[in-house]
Amino acid sequence: EAGVTQFPSHSVIEKGQTVTLRCDPISGHDNLYWYRRVMGKEIKFLLHFVKESKQDESGMPNNRFLAERTGGTYSTLKVQPAELEDSGVYFCASSQSGRRVDTQYFGPGTRLTVL
Amino acid sequence: AQSVTQLGSHVSVSEGALVLLRCNYSSSVPPYLFWYVQYPNQGLQLLLKYTSAATLVKGINGFEAEFKKSETSFHLTKPSAHMSDAAEYFCAVSMTTDSWGKFQFGAGTQVVVTP
Repeated sequence: EAGVTQFPSHSVIEKGQTVTLRCDPISGHDNLYWYRRVMGKEIKFLLHFVKESKQDESGMPNNRFLAERTGGTYSTLKVQPAELEDSGVYFCASSQSGRRVDTQYFGPGTRLTVL
Repeated sequence: AQSVTQLGSHVSVSEGALVLLRCNYSSSVPPYLFWYVQYPNQGLQLLLKYTSAATLVKGINGFEAEFKKSETSFHLTKPSAHMSDAAEYFCAVSMTTDSWGKFQFGAGTQVVVTP
């Protein structure tokens, strides 16, 4: 069974540009989470999808970040325009359905560098 | 507000020695607790989890952790370190009052194993 995959693995962009990160969860997982780790700090929650619906986006930093999950499958996280403080590693995780705590399976992350 | 504290951002341990990684949480209600490990260029992998069953939890690769409510702790141990244990370890909590299971992470502990 394929795990959570993320693309690209690395992205280097200039301030003001746009970047789109993609996450493919484990097949059949309804829950999809985005997290971010800024260098030297803890991994922080950004948002949570249940299928195609945003369940919780309380961790999104500001309106420069837009997340979508088409058809309840893969998800994209767009940053537009990117700022220096957006640099970090963006993790995606997925878990099975149900209103309960379940193991989250993480992807390898996308390392974003904004110059 | 809840928080997760991992004592020590870097830990050096000799091969064959005890591995002890500390995690404390602050919450009035005992949360669900997880330990994840991240090897270089890989995603976070679940080591073990506590979800209000047995307080001593055994995980993969010889790791275990004990939930102590009175100390609000969930320390991770392994009796004998292997070179392959070199990685970054994350403690995470999920509130039982949060039906959707988003995680709050500690800052991570980088483990170095010396011969």
